Amino acid sequence: SQQGEEDPQALSIQEGENATMNCSYKTSINNLQWYRQNSGRGLVHLILIRSNEREKHSGRLRVTLDTSKKSSSLLITASRAADTASYFCAADNQGGKLIFGQGTELSVKP
Amino acid sequence: DTEVTQTPKHLVMGMTNKKSLKCEQHMGHRAMYWYKQKAKKPPELMFVYSYEKLSINESVPSRFSPECPNSSLLNLHLHALQPEDSALYLCASSQGGANEKLFFGSGTQLSVL
Repeated sequence: SQQGEEDPQALSIQEGENATMNCSYKTSINNLQWYRQNSGRGLVHLILIRSNEREKHSGRLRVTLDTSKKSSSLLITASRAADTASYFCAADNQGGKLIFGQGTELSVKP
Repeated sequence: DTEVTQTPKHLVMGMTNKKSLKCEQHMGHRAMYWYKQKAKKPPELMFVYSYEKLSINESVPSRFSPECPNSSLLNLHLHALQPEDSALYLCASSQGGANEKLFFGSGTQLSVL
């Protein structure tokens, strides 16, 4: 499979805690992106990190990229119940395809 | 307008039916995509159109036939589908031809009986 792996598959935390999700991919990439999906809905783009970047921030989101390990992590700080969703990483491989990881289901309890 | 609109939202069809899924965007994006997503699985790429030309076909069975009539519209024609084709079909678009920041529609939930 071209798809990457994400861990954990599911994560349950309390409001206010931080949530960390990890993603590994298999090929060289142009960029790596993170998307969020609420149940039965379309995906929403969260953040993009290019292959020559190591860290990027957007609001409560922090993404890191380690191209030597072919891995990325997404940190959501001070989580809210509204952050409950599935989170997918997506690797823009150099074959022109955006390939999604298996996803992490995040549950934030009030 | 930053929306990708997909119709219908739900579709139930028999294995002998012919139906079409429609997708529309007015953001001036030149790349459009079809993805298929099974429950609790990641989206799987089916087709990519770049500047209205089919650039990627991920070995999708011929019972799925994409069409890009113009830069704002993308259709997916369905014929003789199988029950295992039941899934959420997602359309997306992005600026230019690069895989950067895809905008997704809400999808069509397809059930094949």
